[in-house]
Amino acid sequence: AQKITQTQPGMFVQEKEAVTLDCTYDTSDPSYGLFWYKQPSSGEMIFLIYQGSYDQQNATEGRYSLNFQKARKSANLVISASQLGDSAMYFCAMRERGFGNEKLTFGTGTRLTIIP
Amino acid sequence: NAGVTQTPKFQVLKTGQSMTLQCAQDMNHNSMYWYRQDPGMGLRLIYYSASEGTTDKGEVPNGYNVSRLNKREFSLRLESAAPSQTSVYFCASSFLGYEQYFGPGTRLTVT
Repeated sequence: AQKITQTQPGMFVQEKEAVTLDCTYDTSDPSYGLFWYKQPSSGEMIFLIYQGSYDQQNATEGRYSLNFQKARKSANLVISASQLGDSAMYFCAMRERGFGNEKLTFGTGTRLTIIP
Repeated sequence: NAGVTQTPKFQVLKTGQSMTLQCAQDMNHNSMYWYRQDPGMGLRLIYYSASEGTTDKGEVPNGYNVSRLNKREFSLRLESAAPSQTSVYFCASSFLGYEQYFGPGTRLTVT
């Protein structure tokens, strides 16, 4: 079974609109972490936001927020007021078994295109 | 503060040749990682090192070896390159299990 599933291979969104990128995960560990990364066309991987499984509140970082629904095992990334510079690949990733385990499992990504 | 650096940026090898990809970080992170990225596959972990002197296999270790030379440096070696190893290789580092910081990547083509 896939540990991280991103069901939207590509999305087109009008500039200034909000966008939600979907991510569902599969784990039986009670302690895990969820990450979102952005990969622009230049190729570098940029960390955006992190949510721990025990965090009571949804994580936010500027225009990025993580809609964490633990019971549904989903960790969707919400980008408010999208900008042309948000056009990129977005990857969801999971770390299982707490901070002692270093490995991340990545999803296959969603290509977001912002339309002017 | 350069973050994570990788060399080379591009490389073309013939089947059977060997090479070493170099990675260094200046953030005093204890953990370092090597990933490969193939189209439609996301990033897959090849090897990682949780601390100096330790290494462990990831999801796709076959055909690769690694060396954690010191806390700063983590190299990836292809002993006998194969066309299936054509990919973009990323090195990353982190402090414990927090977010990973990535290098710029190495685009490797094996013909």
